[in-house]
Amino acid sequence: NADVMQNPRHLVRRRGQEARLRCSPMKGHSHVYWYRQLPEEGLKFMVYLQKENIIDESGMPKERFSAEFPKEGPSILRIQQVVRGDSAAYFCASSREGLELFFGEGSRLTVL
Amino acid sequence: AQSVTQPDIHITVSEGASLELRCNYSYGATPYLFWYVQSPGQGLQLLLKYFSGDTLVQGIKGFEAEFKRSQSSFNLRKPSVHWSDAAEYFCAVGPFFGNEKLTFGTGTRLTIIP
Repeated sequence: NADVMQNPRHLVRRRGQEARLRCSPMKGHSHVYWYRQLPEEGLKFMVYLQKENIIDESGMPKERFSAEFPKEGPSILRIQQVVRGDSAAYFCASSREGLELFFGEGSRLTVL
Repeated sequence: AQSVTQPDIHITVSEGASLELRCNYSYGATPYLFWYVQSPGQGLQLLLKYFSGDTLVQGIKGFEAEFKRSQSSFNLRKPSVHWSDAAEYFCAVGPFFGNEKLTFGTGTRLTIIP
């Protein structure tokens, strides 16, 4: 859904660099979700955020990955010291409380 | 733990033929079920959803799905496919209340031949 804006759409990083992925939810949506899609696999939940709060990060790798959703501005998924296994499509979704998710078009990270 | 199984990795059908994509789920409570479609290089678009009521639900683009509690299934159907239906289809299950942390199946890739 084009109303959930993700950028960049494509990102290339070398091993050890940092990747920052941004997500602007639909207007009026205060809930943001990040999912990761590895090649030939379905989407896997990573983290659920509301403004200034991480609600559920049970799907986040314990190291190198972090997410935030500040009071102002987009949600950011940050991957430090990227490795080849981080190459994937990262999808953001947003919702109003308790209602369906609307997905963005994804950010495709390639680690060389 | 919740899980979703899509047993068919890849399906090929002729344009104009009928289609059924299978989805089986495991969930400990009342499930909230979804079908999404993903075109190459694109995000996910919701086709339809079910959480209560009539077990046959209608979605966009002429798709429908039937919830069968006894079989833990939520199969997607379309009576006549179009070349534009070629895409990846994902079934997902989530909680009825609370956060919308969905569990997705691994997807079924649909190829349409003339």
